[in-house]
Amino acid sequence: AQKITQTQPGMFVQEKEAVTLDCTYDTSDPSYGLFWYKQPSSGEMIFLIYQGSYDQQNATEGRYSLNFQKARKSANLVISASQLGDSAMYFCAMREALGNEKLTFGTGTRLTIIP
Amino acid sequence: GAVVSQHPSWVICKSGTSVKIECRSLDFQATTMFWYRQFPKQSLMLMATSNEGSKATYEQGVEKDKFLINHASLTLSTLTVTSAHPEDSSFYICSALGLLNTGELFFGEGSRLTVL
Repeated sequence: AQKITQTQPGMFVQEKEAVTLDCTYDTSDPSYGLFWYKQPSSGEMIFLIYQGSYDQQNATEGRYSLNFQKARKSANLVISASQLGDSAMYFCAMREALGNEKLTFGTGTRLTIIP
Repeated sequence: GAVVSQHPSWVICKSGTSVKIECRSLDFQATTMFWYRQFPKQSLMLMATSNEGSKATYEQGVEKDKFLINHASLTLSTLTVTSAHPEDSSFYICSALGLLNTGELFFGEGSRLTVL
């Protein structure tokens, strides 16, 4: 079974609108962390936001927020007031406490912001 | 934030040659570094985990004799693609975990390898 599933290969969103990128995960480890990274065409991986499995509140970082629904094993990324510079690939990733600190990535979602 | 640097950022080589890619943590000591490979329009796939002073741990299906990893110091890990072939052409990215684990992995800028 896939550990990280991103079901949206591509999304087009009008500038200034909010967008939700879906991510579901599968783990039996009670301690894990969920990450979102942005990868522009240059290739670098830019860390956006982190959610720990024991965190009581949803993580927020500026325009980014993570809608963490533990029972449903989902960790959707919400970008508010989208900007043209948000166009990029977005990857959801998970790190399990028993997984030797390595990150497992989803297949990614290509987000395109339309002016 | 912490900086991880990769060198070279891109390299073109002939089939059969070996290529070395360096991954350096510039302002922190990294006990563990990870090497990922990313084919065009695909996700990052973990190749190996590199621990300072010990042998790397390779993921299933990754040839350890072809992808040599050395983590000789707390700030440097190297990936050598030996006898490279066109199918090895890919984007290779390293990430580093610091001594003080803050929960974040820091990524290098990536190295694009093209084998002719």
